[in-house]
Amino acid sequence: DTGVSQNPRHKITKRGQNVTFRCDPISEHNRLYWYRQTLGQGPEFLTYFQNEAQLEKSRLLSDRFSAERPKGSFSTLEIQRTEQGDSAMYLCASSRRRGGADTQYFGPGTRLTVL
Amino acid sequence: AQSVTQPDIHITVSEGASLELRCNYSYGATPYLFWYVQSPGQGLQLLLKYFSGDTLVQGIKGFEAEFKRSQSSFNLRKPSVHWSDAAEYFCAVGASGNQFYFGTGTSLTVIP
Repeated sequence: DTGVSQNPRHKITKRGQNVTFRCDPISEHNRLYWYRQTLGQGPEFLTYFQNEAQLEKSRLLSDRFSAERPKGSFSTLEIQRTEQGDSAMYLCASSRRRGGADTQYFGPGTRLTVL
Repeated sequence: AQSVTQPDIHITVSEGASLELRCNYSYGATPYLFWYVQSPGQGLQLLLKYFSGDTLVQGIKGFEAEFKRSQSSFNLRKPSVHWSDAAEYFCAVGASGNQFYFGTGTSLTVIP
């Protein structure tokens, strides 16, 4: 059990550029979540996958954001035409579906800075 | 609507003193409750969780939390704080296996 990994850890980009983040969940975890955390706030839910299906998306996830989880393994989160307001920590978590609420295990996050 | 309130934005305690971090939640059904800790620039580490059963739950690093349904609270406690406990602490309520709702966090400073 190697934990959730995220790459890159830091990303600096200019406004208007596209960025893509990757998340590798704990092996055999069939659920994967993306959250966004801004300074001084708790994480806010963006979207989650069960296997390869994207089951829920937050209203925070504008049409500039897209997430995929091909083959139900790793996931990517892409932000197109980045804006300064997109600067945040993007956290990925994974869980194994049981009954009730799952325990989510978080990765170290990708910190995005949009100049 | 589900929500979590952490009333204390920042707490300072002396090393060796006891600690209690407050968490109140709003959730229509049986809550699944979690406490996570976050060091600067890092992801979240699970401290403990409550699903059902004994309302006093033990976690890692000597932390415990007590679920009080009548008060809609899930406060985190530690009898003796260590300097390494300085971090940001987040309470979260889980909604039936889907998204978590997090509080805004409590920043803990430990003074020698």
